[in-house]
Amino acid sequence: AQSVTQLGSHVSVSEGALVLLRCNYSSSVPPYLFWYVQYPNQGLQLLLKYTSAATLVKGINGFEAEFKKSETSFHLTKPSAHMSDAAEYFCAVRGAPNFGNEKLTFGTGTRLTIIP
Amino acid sequence: NAGVTQTPKFQVLKTGQSMTLQCAQDMNHNSMYWYRQDPGMGLRLIYYSASEGTTDKGEVPNGYNVSRLNKREFSLRLESAAPSQTSVYFCASRERGGGTDTQYFGPGTRLTVL
Repeated sequence: AQSVTQLGSHVSVSEGALVLLRCNYSSSVPPYLFWYVQYPNQGLQLLLKYTSAATLVKGINGFEAEFKKSETSFHLTKPSAHMSDAAEYFCAVRGAPNFGNEKLTFGTGTRLTIIP
Repeated sequence: NAGVTQTPKFQVLKTGQSMTLQCAQDMNHNSMYWYRQDPGMGLRLIYYSASEGTTDKGEVPNGYNVSRLNKREFSLRLESAAPSQTSVYFCASRERGGGTDTQYFGPGTRLTVL
């Protein structure tokens, strides 16, 4: 069984400030973890993923996330927010290969607003 | 290379009507998925197909059927639409192997059931 909890359904930050979006996961098998971004009226686009290699993962648009097994967390960060970062962000978990990993389970999403 | 395409983009149905949502991918992926997205609930898996010729239920399969017509196409059918099926529907395909594991999403179908 697997699940994802995203803390904060809405987050607002000022332009140029640090972005921190929180994600905690639960998985009975070694996890693969993902962050997706959804812009208004569009599908989801992969930002970055953790697949059991480096625990600090860098993605597109300056985002990064760190896998912390002891805290069961995979928080998304960006040092300096841009107006174009305004979107909804989803954390997702899947079991690693050889652990029945067909299903990707999503969190409920965090809507990021950037204040000029 | 169009990626994942979905038709239609928008649809309005009356309760009890039926319709089929179409999805196709041109990336030669084996696995395909149907999700629905509702406010405050994230994406929930309806059905998936791990390979051509196989389909399995996801988290919320009731009221839906699927067909994996061939490797490219995976359709979702609502036999008797209900207002609770008003949602945005996303199709996805999955690339994996060689250290890669990425799902690619279509642009979505916005369905309203009156």
